[in-house]
Amino acid sequence: SQTIHQWPATLVQPVGSPLSLECTVEGTSNPNLYWYRQAAGRGLQLLFYSVGIGQISSEVPQNLSASRPQDRQFILSSKKLLLSDSGFYLCAWRLGGDTDTQYFGPGTRLTVL
Amino acid sequence: GENVEQHPSTLSVQEGDSAVIKCTYSDSASNYFPWYKQELGKGPQLIIDIRSNVGEKKDQRIAVTLNKTAKHFSLHITETQPEDSAVYFCAAGDDMRFGAGTRLTVKP
Repeated sequence: SQTIHQWPATLVQPVGSPLSLECTVEGTSNPNLYWYRQAAGRGLQLLFYSVGIGQISSEVPQNLSASRPQDRQFILSSKKLLLSDSGFYLCAWRLGGDTDTQYFGPGTRLTVL
Repeated sequence: GENVEQHPSTLSVQEGDSAVIKCTYSDSASNYFPWYKQELGKGPQLIIDIRSNVGEKKDQRIAVTLNKTAKHFSLHITETQPEDSAVYFCAAGDDMRFGAGTRLTVKP
């Protein structure tokens, strides 16, 4: 069966520090991968999605970037965090085609102080 | 890209009553419409989904209806229970755009 992992679960970082959040999927091949951010009490904002290795689509101009170095690995990064980067970061995967169901990871709660 | 609007933003019902949440979408090419339930501090969990070749799908107390002509789809929860209280999200489009969410409160 498929499993999606995210780490760390929680993170507290100072303003201006770098960030690296990792997401990995097990039990499937060539998934579509997504990064979402959710501010407290708000909806899900799509940040990046990827349909294959090295293919990243960015949805919102910001100081974040994403990379997909391997088929089932998706990394969210920042060189310098802002206060506004605080939120709940969710990774998701989806096969597409007839399957189409999207599954979410457990999330990383980031607090920037 | 896809644009998804969700209503209402909050919904309060008495235990045992029905709850209906509606979403509209803009891209007529969208063909997959999931609904997610999110409890506090957790990631969204898929509760039901529907594909464009089907008009209605039911799973016990939960049902989803789709009107492709009007480009809207709705979540129906019958015989609501306090544990149904959560935030519900709809989504659509190849890039999985989400609605803003509906906070459902079921009062005992």
